[in-house]
Amino acid sequence: DVKVTQSSRYLVKRTGEKVFLECVQDMDHENMFWYRQDPGLGLRLIYFSYDVKMKEKGDIPEGYSVSREKKERFSLILESASTNQTSMYLCASSRTWPQHFGDGTRLSIL
Amino acid sequence: QQQVKQSPQSLIVQKGGISIINCAYENTAFDYFPWYQQFPGKGPALLIAIRPDVSEKKEGRFTISFNKSAKQFSLHIMDSQPGDSATYFCAAASGGSNYKLTFGKGTLLTVNP
Repeated sequence: DVKVTQSSRYLVKRTGEKVFLECVQDMDHENMFWYRQDPGLGLRLIYFSYDVKMKEKGDIPEGYSVSREKKERFSLILESASTNQTSMYLCASSRTWPQHFGDGTRLSIL
Repeated sequence: QQQVKQSPQSLIVQKGGISIINCAYENTAFDYFPWYQQFPGKGPALLIAIRPDVSEKKEGRFTISFNKSAKQFSLHIMDSQPGDSATYFCAAASGGSNYKLTFGKGTLLTVNP
């Protein structure tokens, strides 16, 4: 079974902090994705990566950056956290189809 | 621009009934249409998927119906059970998209006992 592990289930940070969300997959997948999930808005793609050190913007990249230094690990970075970034963040990985999701990190920015 | 429109936003069904969730898309380049199921506190998990070369795909109690000319697809859950209560997302993707998915906004299904 594919396992996508997100380092924290719950995280509370303050506005202006730099926040790191970590995701690790154990299936040697080329593609990794970061989404945010908000009620009534579904899943929206923030960034994705199709190879080590490669990244592309998704639909809502503003205020976020990503890092992929190793194939199994994909990090989402909030450069200066703001309250409107309070959300559920989901990581996913795939070789082709389907995408496999982690259980999410619920991030609160106070 | 929302490329995948999902309805209804919420759905309440009695045990044993049929649950139907509909999605419509705009991009004619889409050629992969999965449905994901998400339980509270868990990430979404693939339920069933279809490609546009078939009009229907069935796996157990779950069926996708696909209408290419109307650019619509739907999920039917037969004999709905309380354990089916979850949020369901439709999605779509095109082959040249680096395997990116565009999701609908989700449907919260409640199956009453």
